Amino acid sequence: DGGITQSPKYLFRKEGQNVTLSCEQNLNHDAMYWYRQDPGQGLRLIYYSQIVNDFQKGDIAEGYSVSREKKESFPLTVTSAQKNPTAFYLCASNIGGLGNQPQHFGDGTRLSIL
Amino acid sequence: QKEVEQNSGPLSVPEGAIASLNCTYSDRGSQSFFWYRQYSGKSPELIMFIYSNGDKEDGRFTAQLNKASQYVSLLIRDSQPSDSATYLCAVADQTGANNLFFGTGTRLTVIP
Repeated sequence: DGGITQSPKYLFRKEGQNVTLSCEQNLNHDAMYWYRQDPGQGLRLIYYSQIVNDFQKGDIAEGYSVSREKKESFPLTVTSAQKNPTAFYLCASNIGGLGNQPQHFGDGTRLSIL
Repeated sequence: QKEVEQNSGPLSVPEGAIASLNCTYSDRGSQSFFWYRQYSGKSPELIMFIYSNGDKEDGRFTAQLNKASQYVSLLIRDSQPSDSATYLCAVADQTGANNLFFGTGTRLTVIP
């Protein structure tokens, strides 16, 4: 089945540790996105990528890093510089191009601090 | 920062009633609008999108768009307990980045 796979489903980070969240899609989508969702808040954009080997900062990129070496994959690293990483992280993708294409989401990763 | 405003609710309706969810947006140039449903602890699921002024119907769901008033709504007819969820309004960025700006969501509870 086509879709977006995020792993792991739950992740715990120790103080000073970097952790990487995986996002893989087999929808042949060009564009991929990472969002953070905190309780009672909407989705906030961390990073996005419209094409392989290119990505742009979103509204809350500080403390995060990404790579886009393959069309199918867009991993997110939460660095030790992100002091409040506890949140629900969502990866999304769409076919890209004009700004009228819906985004589809993976199942998310819940990150907590140990 | 482009803003998308939703009444956070909670909105409670009896089973079988019409639920009306509202959203306003700040960017007058916005062209594309999306409604997502998010069950507690789950990821958002696309249920409707609308690009043109007027109504768009899909089963029990109707999206309504009024660009002059910068207002988009979602009507759910014959509401079911399974419709109980948070509904997120999203507006597409017109700068070419194909990003979405999300509201904080309206929590809907359908009472059996």
